Amino acid sequence: NAGVTQTPKFQVLKTGQSMTLQCAQDMNHNSMYWYRQDPGMGLRLIYYSASEGTTDKGEVPNGYNVSRLNKREFSLRLESAAPSQTSVYFCASSFPDPSAPLHFGNGTRLTVT
Amino acid sequence: GNSVTQMEGPVTLSEEAFLTINCTYTATGYPSLFWYVQYPGEGLQLLLKATKADDKGSNKGFEATYRKETTSFHLEKGSVQVSDSAVYFCALGVSGGYNKLIFGAGTRLAVHP
Repeated sequence: NAGVTQTPKFQVLKTGQSMTLQCAQDMNHNSMYWYRQDPGMGLRLIYYSASEGTTDKGEVPNGYNVSRLNKREFSLRLESAAPSQTSVYFCASSFPDPSAPLHFGNGTRLTVT
Repeated sequence: GNSVTQMEGPVTLSEEAFLTINCTYTATGYPSLFWYVQYPGEGLQLLLKATKADDKGSNKGFEATYRKETTSFHLEKGSVQVSDSAVYFCALGVSGGYNKLIFGAGTRLAVHP
């Protein structure tokens, strides 16, 4: 009953370093998403993938890249981390229907110093 | 554009008190509406949803009614418990072949014995 699995759970980076956040889902969902959560701002969409082979920018894509590796996996890459990217990152997945709920992972807490 | 506005928290209540968390939205078309809950250290979980006007979503004693005339989806519970302490997010789902949710800023609820 894994659902959506994110790794790592915690990460500390220095400014300018790069890293990739991994996400995998086992619910056969077509759509996957990356959100960031900042205090007082709710969740903001970074990138999404409506289906395997497609990716699109969300509300706050600058400084990030994504890869939809296959139907199960959707990774988020920070090429040159900045302190403004300190946040909690959530991966989610769903069926491609506006009434379908999103299933979230437990998040990655990233600190950039 | 599409947006969600939630009442600011934190909301602090005693056990068995009545809870209301206000949520209003702006949207084109006919969105689906959701309440998600986030317990400490975890990802978001769907609490309830409504997909059309006058629908009432309910789960675990929580209820919300989709009011198109007032563009609202207020969350209510008749008697809160300490275990309900969490952050609650209102969200709307817009159509377009995928489920791209727009979240409110979240409302933190603290319930004391």
